[in-house]
Amino acid sequence: AQKITQTQPGMFVQEKEAVTLDCTYDTSDQSYGLFWYKQPSSGEMIFLIYQGSYDEQNATEGRYSLNFQKARKSANLVISASQLGDSAMYFCSTPPRFYNQGGKLIFGQGTELSVKP
Amino acid sequence: DARVTQTPRHKVTEMGQEVTMRCQPILGHNTVFWYRQTMMQGLELLAYFRNRAPLDDSGMPKDRFSAEMPDATLATLKIQPSEPRDSAVYFCASGLGLEQYFGPGTRLTVT
Repeated sequence: AQKITQTQPGMFVQEKEAVTLDCTYDTSDQSYGLFWYKQPSSGEMIFLIYQGSYDEQNATEGRYSLNFQKARKSANLVISASQLGDSAMYFCSTPPRFYNQGGKLIFGQGTELSVKP
Repeated sequence: DARVTQTPRHKVTEMGQEVTMRCQPILGHNTVFWYRQTMMQGLELLAYFRNRAPLDDSGMPKDRFSAEMPDATLATLKIQPSEPRDSAVYFCASGLGLEQYFGPGTRLTVT
């Protein structure tokens, strides 16, 4: 069964500094993907970045990048140049297998990031 | 800017009442997901559809929950009868391929 672990319930970072949010996963699938979502206090879930297991390059999307280490089964999110608006909950997840019938999407417990001015 | 819409945004109801939540996925998306978020359980997948066909609803209590897609522009999640433990934020998400875009959620309180 798929499992996502986020070991940091809360993180603090100084504005303009970089921060890494940890995510490890456990799956027996050969092909899989990992998502990161941001949930600000308003409650909406915002898609940030996606990494496919066969992607050779680490995914990047603006100030967001993924430090994907397949052998260690980790997909850590790196936010560069933190901004006050980055304060939110961040969830790592793995999606259903679209090429198969069934499969639950699993979310980690989340990391609450607080950016200090 | 296409978005997933959900109605109602907030719902307060009494135990035993029927609750229906609606979702309009982004036009052209072929997958629709229902999630529930609580402090204790985090985010849980309840059901998902692909091309309007239910693919997985194993996360949903079958005795009281039902999810349907009467057409490509509408997904519904119904709870009958509702119970206090159903209090949560219910998210709908839609996607085309692997990305999923979430709606704003319906905050349900069952008293």
